Amino acid sequence: SAVISQKPSRDICQRGTSLTIQCQVDSQVTMMFWYRQQPGQSLTLIATANQGSEATYESGFVIDKFPISRPNLTFSTLTVSNMSPEDSSIYLCSVEPIRETQYFGPGTRLLVL
Amino acid sequence: AQSVSQHNHHVILSEAASLELGCNYSYGGTVNLFWYVQYPGQHLQLLLKYFSGDPLVKGIKGFEAEFIKSKFSFNLRKPSVQWSDTAEYFCAPRYNNNDMRFGAGTRLTVKP
Repeated sequence: SAVISQKPSRDICQRGTSLTIQCQVDSQVTMMFWYRQQPGQSLTLIATANQGSEATYESGFVIDKFPISRPNLTFSTLTVSNMSPEDSSIYLCSVEPIRETQYFGPGTRLLVL
Repeated sequence: AQSVSQHNHHVILSEAASLELGCNYSYGGTVNLFWYVQYPGQHLQLLLKYFSGDPLVKGIKGFEAEFIKSKFSFNLRKPSVQWSDTAEYFCAPRYNNNDMRFGAGTRLTVKP
């Protein structure tokens, strides 16, 4: 398994601003993922972030809105840009230390006013 | 597009009752199957997984799941639930080693 931490754990932001969420894992992993869990809904994959390459975004998500960095094998950031209330959600990162098995961080709870 | 369906939105049981949560997934080539659990106030944890072999897989805390290929199902079971099993359960098929989908989740409430 892997121990994953996220910062911040929660935040309240004004519309039009941006928030950067950090994800730190205790071991080197190639594959990291960012998910969104909107209120009352299941998880939706935003993008896959592999170190040394551009993030791959899922349908409905674009780099301008959700820029991702992956500077090394233990860290990644997701920025939620130009936020609106519809971005209120829980954002989770996950890693895949064992092939095809993902482990999740505690999530960042975001409220946009 | 691949999809996954969890039949029950909210299940309420008394302690010691048996549990079965349904999960059906759409066909999409190679599929690996996962169940995740999210206890109140905690993050998602892996409960069990199926890649190949024995279709009856055992996970943590006495949970098991059965893969029935002909029915595209991967139902989660536990013979006797405890109050501490109160949580939300997510079925998640992963297609072609990359495309992971999560079901809507089933909220389990176990009454003491």
